[in-house]
Amino acid sequence: SQQGEEDPQALSIQEGENATMNCSYKTSINNLQWYRQNSGRGLVHLILIRSNEREKHSGRLRVTLDTSKKSSSLLITASRAADTASYFCATDGAGAQKLVFGQGTRLTINP
Amino acid sequence: DGGITQSPKYLFRKEGQNVTLSCEQNLNHDAMYWYRQDPGQGLRLIYYSQIVNDFQKGDIAEGYSVSREKKESFPLTVTSAQKNPTAFYLCASSIGPVLQERQYFGPGTRLLVL
Repeated sequence: SQQGEEDPQALSIQEGENATMNCSYKTSINNLQWYRQNSGRGLVHLILIRSNEREKHSGRLRVTLDTSKKSSSLLITASRAADTASYFCATDGAGAQKLVFGQGTRLTINP
Repeated sequence: DGGITQSPKYLFRKEGQNVTLSCEQNLNHDAMYWYRQDPGQGLRLIYYSQIVNDFQKGDIAEGYSVSREKKESFPLTVTSAQKNPTAFYLCASSIGPVLQERQYFGPGTRLLVL
């Protein structure tokens, strides 16, 4: 089944730097979502971008969507230690009628 | 995690035993979901319910069963037929029956086999 795949699998940066994570998918979508998961916890919704949108902002988060390349990126600016978590993209393949989650990017922010 | 509770936080299962994971939501959401997460992996859909008294199999339903007798409750039973049940189980809900909408997650239950 179609699936979002995050890249890189792990990312370690210094506090204050920007973090960029990418998500690629295989089939056409209606929307793409990003979620955050702190270790051992549930997922928290960050942002939803629809297929007719190219960019969306929420606080320090910036998400882009390129449907021609079937890819999305999540940018976290001015990272903080509290941003340390795993980040997942979730896509709804056209006709799939459900969300399909990728394997996630594990982000570590070093103080 | 607000609005969705899962219990217990940790659950231990013996060989041949059925165990039930609880999921309750007070968000008045129509749709509810169960996911399984293995270490370092994404989420895989076990079962989902779009409306009371109705539910559908997800990608990995074998060895699991659910019920949806009340709008706010969606318990998951891990049966003895599930040979590798050790995982982190997440319950989620969404406002309407459209499965592609934003989902709200509970804190999870970690199931371990003795």
